Amino acid sequence: QKEVEQNSGPLSVPEGAIASLNCTYSDRGSQSFFWYRQYSGKSPELIMSIYSNGDKEDGRFTAQLNKASQYVSLLIRDSQPSDSATYLCAVTPYNFNKFYFGSGTKLNVKP
Amino acid sequence: NAGVTQTPKFQVLKTGQSMTLQCAQDMNHNSMYWYRQDPGMGLRLIYYSASEGTTDKGEVPNGYNVSRLNKREFSLRLESAAPSQTSVYFCASSEEDTQYFGPGTRLTVL
Repeated sequence: QKEVEQNSGPLSVPEGAIASLNCTYSDRGSQSFFWYRQYSGKSPELIMSIYSNGDKEDGRFTAQLNKASQYVSLLIRDSQPSDSATYLCAVTPYNFNKFYFGSGTKLNVKP
Repeated sequence: NAGVTQTPKFQVLKTGQSMTLQCAQDMNHNSMYWYRQDPGMGLRLIYYSASEGTTDKGEVPNGYNVSRLNKREFSLRLESAAPSQTSVYFCASSEEDTQYFGPGTRLTVL
């Protein structure tokens, strides 16, 4: 069973809209949750981390975590064409020794 | 700071050849990782090292070996390359929860 599931997309949104990216995970022991952005041909870069239930905001990005539903999401407000990339969800148990990644959701923001 | 560096950037091998992918970090991180990324598969962990002198298998270790040479360097070796090992390989290092990735090595096995 795959640990982390994401819709592969592509998700297309118009410029200025809210993009909503979703991720579910199977291991209830997961403690930390991350969103990475990966531009085509580049390496992943961390954009958000979240550890407790609820929302965490950083600029235009909001991560949401619901451990009971084993669900984590990323909202991007005022989407820009420069946000067009693949977004990877990752989870890890408490000791950070193993990170499990989803297959990523490709986001297209149309001008 | 260079962060995480990887060599080579590109490599083409024939089936059965061997090679070593090199990775180094200058952030004094304890943990280092090797991932492979295939289309539609996301990142899959091959091996990781929680500290100098220790290594552990990840999700897809078969066909690979690793060496944590010192705190800075973590190498990945393919002893007998197979076409199924055609992929993009990323090295990463972390201190607790934040991972930093290298630029990747694009490997093709013919």
